[in-house]
Amino acid sequence: KQEVTQIPAALSVPEGENLVLNCSFTDSAIYNLQWFRQDPGKGLTSLLLIQSSQREQTSGRLNASLDKSSGRSTLYIAASQPGDSATYLCAVSGAGGTSYGKLTFGQGTILTVHP
Amino acid sequence: NAGVMQNPRHLVRRRGQEARLRCSPMKGHSHVYWYRQLPEEGLKFMVYLQKENIIDESGMPKERFSAEFPKEGPSILRIQQVVRGDSAAYFCASSPGRQSEKLFFGSGTQLSVL
Repeated sequence: KQEVTQIPAALSVPEGENLVLNCSFTDSAIYNLQWFRQDPGKGLTSLLLIQSSQREQTSGRLNASLDKSSGRSTLYIAASQPGDSATYLCAVSGAGGTSYGKLTFGQGTILTVHP
Repeated sequence: NAGVMQNPRHLVRRRGQEARLRCSPMKGHSHVYWYRQLPEEGLKFMVYLQKENIIDESGMPKERFSAEFPKEGPSILRIQQVVRGDSAAYFCASSPGRQSEKLFFGSGTQLSVL
């Protein structure tokens, strides 16, 4: 059974800092890994999707890496801003599953960026 | 193009009542997923449906819970005889196809059972 763990559970940083969020998963037989952002009272927004054959993906100030063999992913946020404050969720899609939309989520990292 | 619409946003029920949660997928999407987020827990997959078919309900509790996605109208997640432990945020996501990796999530329905 796939399990996804995110560390740290919460992180508070001053504006402008670069930061790293960590995600690990127990079963390396994944199809892809996604990072989502969840704002209070709102749904999830997909930030980055990394295929199992890829090593990293970048979008703006965000960079996500994937080491499938060791079961780890990191989300790097450069020059953090107060608007980045949210819960960040890591999720994996299992290979050979019924669909790629059946995801296993971590419990998230609550990020607070203070001015 | 409207996103995934869920209603109601908040639903309050007393123990023993029925809860009906609705999800209208994005236009052109025929695949719907339901996830549940219990307090202090991560999002957990419940069920995956296509129009008129349940494809995977491996995450659905065996009793009291059911889901449908009719040919016309929204997908419905139905919880009969609710208990306090059913209090959670229920999220719906849609995609255009089984092979699609991109999921679009709704804002969720917060169910509170008194």
